[in-house]
Amino acid sequence: GAVVSQHPSRVICKSGTSVKIECRSLDFQATTMFWYRQFPKQSLMLMATSNEGSKATYEQGVEKDKFLINHASLTLSTLTVASAHPEDSSFYICSARDRGLVSNEKLFFGSGTQLSVL
Amino acid sequence: GESVGLHLPTLSVQEGDNSIINCAYSNSASDYFIWYKQESGKGPQFIIDIRSNMDKRQGQRVTVLLNKTVKHLSLQIAATQPGDSAVYFCAEDTGFQKLVFGTGTRLLVSP
Repeated sequence: GAVVSQHPSRVICKSGTSVKIECRSLDFQATTMFWYRQFPKQSLMLMATSNEGSKATYEQGVEKDKFLINHASLTLSTLTVASAHPEDSSFYICSARDRGLVSNEKLFFGSGTQLSVL
Repeated sequence: GESVGLHLPTLSVQEGDNSIINCAYSNSASDYFIWYKQESGKGPQFIIDIRSNMDKRQGQRVTVLLNKTVKHLSLQIAATQPGDSAVYFCAEDTGFQKLVFGTGTRLLVSP
């Protein structure tokens, strides 16, 4: 099946550091990728929709200047947490939609990135 | 039950029992629903999906039931195994190419 690779799986950083998380579709082209955030024992909350070659669409309440998304190619989207603070500590998950299919039946998730900001 | 604060509803079953996990969705216009399994520290794993023109769909050991009248989904797992222990989420496609996830249910399977 299709594979979405997400790196790093875990990052620990000092407050004020910027952290970049990569999401790659390994065997398909993804015009659309999604970024989610998940706090412990809670559900996944959609942060933004990343479209190849255009600006990301952010959900209400998500700071676009804090969570910078770049989707420069059909196989790569990156999420940069700018000047991370302890409250940004969370599990970040990406998903990618197979370009060849028209519905979310084929939406594939990365393995997640656990961000811990000290 | 519904999630309150930081506590996920938990369903505890014995190995070999059948499990039923429930989910309420919010948007009556949603026409596509998916159940995901999430193990600790991992991304969600697709289990089974169903479209709104169906009320039941079966997979291997799993069945999803959809009741559009009351906006309710359920996931039935037959002969539950310890490896089924995880958190289960339903998700609805709101029609804007993005999924809204439910609050989740933790399934604990005892040997």
